[in-house]
Amino acid sequence: QQQVKQSPQSLIVQKGGISIINCAYENTAFDYFPWYQQFPGKGPALLIAIRPDVSEKKEGRFTISFNKSAKQFSLHIMDSQPGDSATYFCAASKGGATNKLIFGTGTLLAVQP
Amino acid sequence: NAGVTQTPKFQVLKTGQSMTLQCAQDMNHEYMSWYRQDPGMGLRLIHYSVGAGITDQGEVPNGYNVSRSTTEDFPLRLLSAAPSQTSVYFCATSPRDSFYEQYFGPGTRLTVT
Repeated sequence: QQQVKQSPQSLIVQKGGISIINCAYENTAFDYFPWYQQFPGKGPALLIAIRPDVSEKKEGRFTISFNKSAKQFSLHIMDSQPGDSATYFCAASKGGATNKLIFGTGTLLAVQP
Repeated sequence: NAGVTQTPKFQVLKTGQSMTLQCAQDMNHEYMSWYRQDPGMGLRLIHYSVGAGITDQGEVPNGYNVSRSTTEDFPLRLLSAAPSQTSVYFCATSPRDSFYEQYFGPGTRLTVT
């Protein structure tokens, strides 16, 4: 049962373009929505995270947009660079008595020079 | 600081063999987790611990055991390896009450024949 659905599976963007990755979730009890970046042969690294009471969060070229009513959130990478080529995972987290961190299936991004 | 370290980096097992994947951290984080990463499946939580002496099951705990006797170490034991356990295993830590904020190790690639 996939509680966090991520699309697209892969994405090719030209240098300088905007990369957009989308995720949808089902459980309204999640309290954080992080994005992770993974380079080949490495462990994932936290990129940016948002709480459900915020509609947008920006850190440098990376922006999360959050639509609570639609239960969707997305990652936008502005001015995409070849160094951004990696696999990106969205996730949904719930802390407290029963900790949960559910990952999407990942998006392989290739930024062409 | 080494952060999160995992050993071994690679391992090949025969069906039915047992082994322990080691994980150590020097970040003084209370939470530690084990994930497996499979193509098209994202990362799935196997077991986690919120402190020494306390462990709990994640999404896919069957076939794995954990224990946490110290803050620094969180080994994962495969009791009787099966080909379905062929995967890349990641250990991660997170600060207290920030389960979404995971710091991953470099991973162990396990093949079961």
